[in-house]
Amino acid sequence: GQQLNQSPQSMFIQEGEDVSMNCTSSSIFNTWLWYKQDPGEGPVLLIALYKAGELTSNGRLTAQFGITRKDSFLNISASIPSDVGIYFCAGQSGSGNTGKLIFGQGTTLQVKP
Amino acid sequence: GAVVSQHPSWVICKSGTSVKIECRSLDFQATTMFWYRQFPKQSLMLMATSNEGSKATYEQGVEKDKFLINHASLTLSTLTVTSAHPEDSSFYICSAPFGTFEAFFGQGTRLTVV
Repeated sequence: GQQLNQSPQSMFIQEGEDVSMNCTSSSIFNTWLWYKQDPGEGPVLLIALYKAGELTSNGRLTAQFGITRKDSFLNISASIPSDVGIYFCAGQSGSGNTGKLIFGQGTTLQVKP
Repeated sequence: GAVVSQHPSWVICKSGTSVKIECRSLDFQATTMFWYRQFPKQSLMLMATSNEGSKATYEQGVEKDKFLINHASLTLSTLTVTSAHPEDSSFYICSAPFGTFEAFFGQGTRLTVV
């Protein structure tokens, strides 16, 4: 079945540093989504990408949909303590918005003030 | 973004009893919703697809008789964990697609079976 490989698994950084994480797949996805999950809560959508090569920003967050449709990265600039959490990439294949997502393993981010 | 509301946020039940979890799309209609299960420090694992007006579609390895899904209206899907056992303790999350390519999640339900 389809799988997403997300890396790194965890990061421990200093406040103010930039962060980068990525996801790769052996198969093509038509949509890439990036979520953040806080402990005990559901994932919250950060950025959605649906066009190969697309680069999208949301505040300090920037994500890109790889040109091959098999990868995506998320960058967080000037990290702050509230960026702490688990970040997941998710891919959707097929036509239209089926809503059926395949998730990466997650990247746990810790920020030291 | 769109709002998906899940209830309850946590529940403790005795072994052998059943528990119902509700997932509602508050400001949009969802003919399809999804139920995920998440173990500590792990990713989300898709359990089943809930289809309004028809039977749910279960992922391989998920017992449909244990995890009953009902999608009674365009804004409500329910997951009932029947005859719950301690190994069913987990974090259950629902989601619904919205718009062209987005999907929004509920707050999750922490189930503890004692």
